[in-house]
Amino acid sequence: DAGITQSPRHKVTETGTPVTLRCHQTENHRYMYWYRQDPGHGLRLIHYSYGVKDTDKGEVSDGYSVSRSKTEDFLLTLESATSSQTSVYFCAISEDRAEQYFGPGTRLTVT
Amino acid sequence: AQSVAQPEDQVNVAEGNPLTVKCTYSVSGNPYLFWYVQYPNRGLQFLLKYITGDNLVKGSYGFEAEFNKSQTSFHLKKPSALVSDSALYFCAVRPNSGYSTLTFGKGTMLLVSP
Repeated sequence: DAGITQSPRHKVTETGTPVTLRCHQTENHRYMYWYRQDPGHGLRLIHYSYGVKDTDKGEVSDGYSVSRSKTEDFLLTLESATSSQTSVYFCAISEDRAEQYFGPGTRLTVT
Repeated sequence: AQSVAQPEDQVNVAEGNPLTVKCTYSVSGNPYLFWYVQYPNRGLQFLLKYITGDNLVKGSYGFEAEFNKSQTSFHLKKPSALVSDSALYFCAVRPNSGYSTLTFGKGTMLLVSP
C-alpha cells in the first residue's frame, strides 16, 4: 500500500454521532479520493481533492464532508452518522491521469 | 457519463486453465482503462492499464488485458490460473482528455479451484 495509511482501521459508532476518518500519504501526490465499498455496488466515489483546500463532490456525497489543509492529509467527516453509512471506506491517491493507489481501508459500523 | 459493466458476478476456473474476466465500458472519446485486484480485507491493488498504443497490455502477476475499441471491451486474461489468483477484480474507466474521476465496475469474484 504505497505510502497511504488510514485511521482508524475499524470503528463502531452510534447513529447521530459525528465521525472523522483520516487518510495520510507520504507520496506527495496531488489527487486524493474517498470511496465507499458496498456489496453489489463496487466502489463509489464520495469526494475527491485536486489540491490543498480544493475539493469536489463525487457520486455519493450526501451526508459527507471533506477537508484537506495539507498535501498529505485528507479527512472525511460524517456529520451525523446513519446506518446507511455502514461501509468500508477507502482512500486513494494519484498523480494526474495516472493510476490510483489505495489505502488499506476503514471498516465503519453505525449501530 | 461514463460507465463500466462487468457482466459476471463470479468466474470459476480450474488451476492451470486460462481465465478471462470480462469488462465493457462506455465513455466520451477515447478511454483510459484500468484493472485492479482486491484480496480479502485489503485495499485495491493496481494490475494494469491501457492508455494508448498496443491493444494487448501486460501487467502484474502474469495478467494481461486486451483493448478492443470496436467492442468497447477490456477483458482481463491469464494463460494459466493459480489458486492464489482467487480474488475480487475491478475494471475502471475514465476519458483520456481533461481531468475526470475513475468509474469502477461492480467487481467480479474469481475463484480458482485446485
